Amino acid sequence: NAGVTQTPKFRILKIGQSMTLQCTQDMNHNYMYWYRQDPGMGLKLIYYSVGAGITDKGEVPNGYNVSRSTTEDFPLRLELAAPSQTSVYFCASSLRRATSTDTQYFGPGTRLTVL
Amino acid sequence: SQELEQSPQSLIVQEGKNLTINCTSSKTLYGLYWYKQKYGEGLIFLMMLQKGGEEKSHEKITAKLDEKKQQSSLHITASQPSHAGIYLCGAGANAGGTSYGKLTFGQGTILTVHP
Repeated sequence: NAGVTQTPKFRILKIGQSMTLQCTQDMNHNYMYWYRQDPGMGLKLIYYSVGAGITDKGEVPNGYNVSRSTTEDFPLRLELAAPSQTSVYFCASSLRRATSTDTQYFGPGTRLTVL
Repeated sequence: SQELEQSPQSLIVQEGKNLTINCTSSKTLYGLYWYKQKYGEGLIFLMMLQKGGEEKSHEKITAKLDEKKQQSSLHITASQPSHAGIYLCGAGANAGGTSYGKLTFGQGTILTVHP
């Protein structure tokens, strides 16, 4: 079991460039999440997905897009990179039983710098 | 929306000392999670608390959720350099399924342990 994997680990983008952050989990989890972490700000939820084909916005979705074509993969797309998107991005997943709150498992993160 | 405030923001202790990190919520907590993060790495799940008055321990780390379910504390006994890192608390939005497992995080507490 690899758990939650993210690629790339590091990336530098120029303003206006696009890229996709990849996230894959092999735990057959239904729920997946994308967070960004800025210094001293904790984690903010960007988008989440409750299953293949279903996604919804989190707290800070502007400038990002997601898709969930399979249970395993949940890529995050940046269309026009801006310096404000410089951050560390974490993907997470949870099994999510019907009425309980399940533990979220996190990937190692992608450190993105936009210059 | 729910807000989590952690205190202190940073903590420097000598090896062998005890320490406590607090997490205070603006609303009732449903599922309070403690995570640890080392620099450049993802979040590692430590413990989850759901019931008021609940207390859990793992090795030298003990977490408690107060009776009113609006504050949690993380206590480390006889700290070691391996305990150094960023500790984050995360909380579910509510007890039911409509939160889709989304978590709100505190800003984190940076712990340094000097040998």
